[in-house]
Amino acid sequence: AQTVTQSQPEMSVQEAETVTLSCTYDTSESNYYLFWYKQPPSRQMILVIRQEAYKQQNATENRFSVNFQKAAKSFSLKISDSQLGDTAMYFCALTAPNQGGKLIFGQGTELSVKP
Amino acid sequence: DTAVSQTPKYLVTQMGNDKSIKCEQNLGHDTMYWYKQDSKKFLKIMFSYNNKELIINETVPNRFSPKSPDKAHLNLHINSLELGDSAVYFCASSQPGQGALGYGYTFGSGTRLTVV
Repeated sequence: AQTVTQSQPEMSVQEAETVTLSCTYDTSESNYYLFWYKQPPSRQMILVIRQEAYKQQNATENRFSVNFQKAAKSFSLKISDSQLGDTAMYFCALTAPNQGGKLIFGQGTELSVKP
Repeated sequence: DTAVSQTPKYLVTQMGNDKSIKCEQNLGHDTMYWYKQDSKKFLKIMFSYNNKELIINETVPNRFSPKSPDKAHLNLHINSLELGDSAVYFCASSQPGQGALGYGYTFGSGTRLTVV
């Protein structure tokens, strides 16, 4: 069975600073995909960043980057230069090709960016 | 606009009623899903359909019945609603396949169901 764990239910950061959200996972698959989704108060689920397990290079999307440690099964999200609009719930998620597209989500981390 | 659209956005209903939530995607994706987000914000898959065929049914009570008339639509019908069914229900779509999986899902904006 695949699992995703986010051990930080809540975090806060000052505007313009950097914050890192943690995620660990477990899977027996050799090929899989990891994602971070953002859910602002509007409720919309927004894809922030994605990582393919067989790619060693960490994914980066503007101010968002990941630290993918495959051996440790860790997939943390770093947000640089935090903005008020980054305030949201962040979900780490995992899927694998033979799972029928099923996404396994972590419990979420609620991030507050303070002015 | 290319998107996953679901209706209604809000649904308030009494216990025992039957209700439906509709979902449509114009992304050309083959696979559609229903996810439930509970009061603690935890997201869990309920169903997935690939080109009108049921692929995943995650031990959901049989009061919940998905219907896919074509690969662009996946509706969710709920019979005999209970208080515990109150949640946000998300429709989503994706294009499975080794490479396309990496692009993740596109989600609808969710339907907040409140059973009173």
